[in-house]
Amino acid sequence: NAGVTQTPKFRILKIGQSMTLQCTQDMNHNYMYWYRQDPGMGLKLIYYSVGAGITDKGEVPNGYNVSRSTTEDFPLRLELAAPSQTSVYFCASRQREGEETQYFGPGTRLLVL
Amino acid sequence: AQSVTQLGSHVSVSEGALVLLRCNYSSSVPPYLFWYVQYPNQGLQLLLKYTTGATLVKGINGFEAEFKKSETSFHLTKPSAHMSDAAEYFCAVKPSPGGYQKVTFGTGTKLQVIP
Repeated sequence: NAGVTQTPKFRILKIGQSMTLQCTQDMNHNYMYWYRQDPGMGLKLIYYSVGAGITDKGEVPNGYNVSRSTTEDFPLRLELAAPSQTSVYFCASRQREGEETQYFGPGTRLLVL
Repeated sequence: AQSVTQLGSHVSVSEGALVLLRCNYSSSVPPYLFWYVQYPNQGLQLLLKYTTGATLVKGINGFEAEFKKSETSFHLTKPSAHMSDAAEYFCAVKPSPGGYQKVTFGTGTKLQVIP
């Protein structure tokens, strides 16, 4: 199993550009999450999904969108990039209700200039 | 509402010395508690977790943590630090089991191990 994979590893965007951060897991996990990590701030939940076709907002959803058309994929869309979205983005998955461990991808480092 | 406080954003220990990373939480319901480790340029990895049962929890790489309800604490310890323990450690809390209650992470503690 590859676990949770994320692409790209690093990206530089100009203000106003759009991009999609890809996340794929091959563990057949129901739950998937997007977090952003800023220095000294820990992880903040952006969006999460409890299964294909079901998504919901986390703590900091503004400026982002998600979709979950399959169990494996959970892409995160930035429509109009802003400098405040400069961060490291982590995707994570969790197997099912009652299994509490989250498995994290290696992260995408995004710089918005 | 729930929150996590990690005391000390940076902790330095000598190789072979005791590692103690502090975590206090607040939760209006019985919590699930976690410690995750993040090595440079990597994602987070679960070290250990407390859900129910024994309050002393053993994890990977020789780490352990004790859930103390009266002190609302879940401190992480390791008797003897190794150079490979240098990483950032995150404490996290989740409300009582059920559905997609979200996990709240602390702000992290960077552990430096001095040879």
